[in-house]
Amino acid sequence: AQSVAQPEDQVNVAEGNPLTVKCTYSVSGNPYLFWYVQYPNRGLQFLLKYITGDNLVKGSYGFEAEFNKSQTSFHLKKPSALVSDSALYFCAVRVPFTGGGNKLTFGTGTQLKVEL
Amino acid sequence: NAGVTQTPKFRVLKTGQSMTLLCAQDMNHEYMYWYRQDPGMGLRLIHYSVGEGTTAKGEVPDGYNVSRLKKQNFLLGLESAAPSQTSVYFCASSQAGVYNEQFFGPGTRLTVL
Repeated sequence: AQSVAQPEDQVNVAEGNPLTVKCTYSVSGNPYLFWYVQYPNRGLQFLLKYITGDNLVKGSYGFEAEFNKSQTSFHLKKPSALVSDSALYFCAVRVPFTGGGNKLTFGTGTQLKVEL
Repeated sequence: NAGVTQTPKFRVLKTGQSMTLLCAQDMNHEYMYWYRQDPGMGLRLIHYSVGEGTTAKGEVPDGYNVSRLKKQNFLLGLESAAPSQTSVYFCASSQAGVYNEQFFGPGTRLTVL
């Protein structure tokens, strides 16, 4: 079964420092991976996705993610964190199936806290 | 564009009551989804639709029904609410195709007493 794991419930980082939010995946076949962010009392917002091609994917708000097939990882990164980046981050993987649709399996989320 | 909207934003039900959550999108998306979010469990897919008049079960469909009579609307119904259905419910939509990202509504916080 397709799954993603986010091993850290919370990540703390100082403003201006680089940040990494970890995600590992388990899929059969080619992985289609996504990152979403959720601000308090809001819905999820799409950040970036990996379908194929370059292992470094650039997304919204200065975020990027590195796909590593040998380590089955898709870590989210940002060179310089902002206090406004504090939010809940979800990694997700597309579940292949017949019949159409685009079913995603989400990780449990990582709370990012950026402090001054 | 309003994107994906959900009504109501909050609701409190007593066990056994019924209700319908409404999701609307103005992006002309083919696919629509209902998720529930519970602490420490991420989002789980309840039901989804790949087009007007079609629905299918997701990961946790028991106790819920859905309808997609119009392309822009996707309704989630609880026929007899249970405390285990206390959750935050999110609707999402996406363009047709397997690689397209989903756009989420702001959520409905439901409490079942």
